[in-house]
Amino acid sequence: DTEVTQTPKHLVMGMTNKKSLKCEQHMGHRAMYWYKQKAKKPPELMFVYSYEKLSINESVPSRFSPECPNSSLLNLHLHALQPEDSALYLCASSQDPLAGGLAKNIQYFGAGTRLSVL
Amino acid sequence: AQRVTQPEKLLSVFKGAPVELKCNYSYSGSPELFWYVQYSRQRLQLLLRHISRESIKGFTADLNKGETSFHLKKPFAQEEDSAMYYCALSGVRGGGSNYKLTFGKGTLLTVNP
Repeated sequence: DTEVTQTPKHLVMGMTNKKSLKCEQHMGHRAMYWYKQKAKKPPELMFVYSYEKLSINESVPSRFSPECPNSSLLNLHLHALQPEDSALYLCASSQDPLAGGLAKNIQYFGAGTRLSVL
Repeated sequence: AQRVTQPEKLLSVFKGAPVELKCNYSYSGSPELFWYVQYSRQRLQLLLRHISRESIKGFTADLNKGETSFHLKKPFAQEEDSAMYYCALSGVRGGGSNYKLTFGKGTLLTVNP
């Protein structure tokens, strides 16, 4: 299995709702990432987990809360979002980029969750 | 700070014509450079990376450290090459920089019949 799977594909939520985005990979990768992508813009890194520990938080507002329950799963919990948070949320995974050697930091992306906040 | 510049937002060529998508970068040291492609309604996927020095789907890219460039080239464009292309840079110094992919703003390539 060489895919990163994201669910749901689409999500519409109100500003008072709580929802979660899910991401799964079975490639044995030890680094997992959340990105936000606005229309016609490049992905922007939000969080990085390495060996199930949060390594990087790119100053993301606390209404986004990541969680890595195990090495194959990554969640993004959403609460009290704003309309400007509407975007495509991408998950990615890679081998350990600190391990050295070829291919270690190639990131494989999921198809994304298209989020609309009303 | 690391930065990637793709000067062309849009590029339109005819089928069979050569195509070059430009990418310049700023990084202290020797980074790792990638080209990612996003076809319509498909996921972002790696096209090629400078370390591999390979040709994928007829595309090649050479890292020019003197000019800090990593331009993507194909001698004969095909209609199925129409997509958004992102140049990206990753640090190699260890620590957080190895995890961060810095993307350029992307070039939308349209290959006309």
